[in-house]
This record gives sequence, structure tokens and C-alpha cells, in this order.
Amino acid sequence: KAGVTQTPRYLIKTRGQQVTLSCSPISGHRSVSWYQQTPGQGLQFLFEYFSETQRNKGNFPGRFSGRQFSNSRSEMNVSTLELGDSALYLCASSFDSNQPQHFGDGTRLSIL
Amino acid sequence: AQSVAQPEDQVNVAEGNPLTVKCTYSVSGNPYLFWYVQYPNRGLQFLLKYITGDNLVKGSYGFEAEFNKSQTSFHLKKPSALVSDSALYFCAVRVFNTGFQKLVFGTGTRLLVSP
Repeated sequence: KAGVTQTPRYLIKTRGQQVTLSCSPISGHRSVSWYQQTPGQGLQFLFEYFSETQRNKGNFPGRFSGRQFSNSRSEMNVSTLELGDSALYLCASSFDSNQPQHFGDGTRLSIL
Repeated sequence: AQSVAQPEDQVNVAEGNPLTVKCTYSVSGNPYLFWYVQYPNRGLQFLLKYITGDNLVKGSYGFEAEFNKSQTSFHLKKPSALVSDSALYFCAVRVFNTGFQKLVFGTGTRLLVSP
């Protein structure tokens, strides 16, 4: 069974641009969550999608948004990029709330 | 607020010795606890979970964790460390609220196993 796939693995952008990150969950998993990992703040929850609906959002500005498609694939968008958005963005999927989340290898976003 | 704490930034152990990575939690209700490991330039790999049942949970790669309700702890252990166990370890608690879920992570503990 293929794991969680995130594309691209690395991305370099400049301030003010926008970016879209993609996540393909494990087949059959309907819950997809996004996390931001930085050396200073650690791992922080961004949002969770389940069956195309955003169930919860973390404490991030409105520049961070996402969506989930009918095949459970998810995208995350960040607009008007700031230097502080440089981070490893991790996607995780699970079958349901009682099962552990499985993580992709992340997208490392660098803002110049 | 539900949280986990990992009091040690780094744990050093010699290969072949037992290792312990500490985690304490603060939750309302029954805790759903997890351990994940992260290798350089990789995502998090699931090691083990505690939801209910036996206090000693066995996981991947020979790791186990002991759930202690009175001490609100969930320490990760391994009887004999390997150099390849060197990595960043995260304790996490699952938070539920009206249908959604999220993981709240500790700050991570770097494990360094020396040959």
C-alpha cells in the first residue's frame, strides 16, 4: 500500500508570492490533516479535512487555506508569502479518528 | 488545554544500553497518546499508540511505552538501543472536539545513540 505522498518535496518562493502544496493520502483514508514544522514553533496544526469538509482550523492567518477533493486528495494554499512561512509542511492521513495518522515526507518551503 | 511535555531536548545513550524518552501529558478525559519518530529530511513515522487497555504498549522497531495514569506519563522505552535509533522523537496527544481531531505534539527529544 502506498504511503502518503506530498508534492513537491522542495519549493523556493519569494515574499508576496503564493504557493500550492499537494497531498495524496493513503488509499481509503478520508481524513487529511496539515501541520507546519519549524525549529522555533515545533509542530503546529493547520487544519483537518474529512470528506471534503474542513472540520477544524488551527491558529493561522487567513492566508493559509486548503481544500479536499472527492478522491480525498488535499491541497494547501498560502498566499502573500512571508519570510516566516519558511517551514516543513506535513500532511497526515487516517482512516478514522481511532486510527493513527500517517505522515508524508513533507514539502520544505523556503521563502527568499 | 490539552498538551504534552517532553522535558529533555536530548537524550544520550550508548549502543546496547536501555533508553527512555520521557513524556508527560495534560488532558481532560481519557488520553489518546502517540509516539512518532522523525529521521532527517523525512516525515513522522508512527511508533505506537495508547488508547485503552494494557498500560504497556508495544510498538515498532522494538520500542514500547508505559502509560501511567497517576503520574500522567507515557515514557518511550527500548531495552537495547541501536545507533540507527538516533532520531527526533515526538510524543503527541489526540484532541477531539465535536467531530474534529488534531494531534498536539510535544517539542521533541533528540536521541543520540553512540557506538
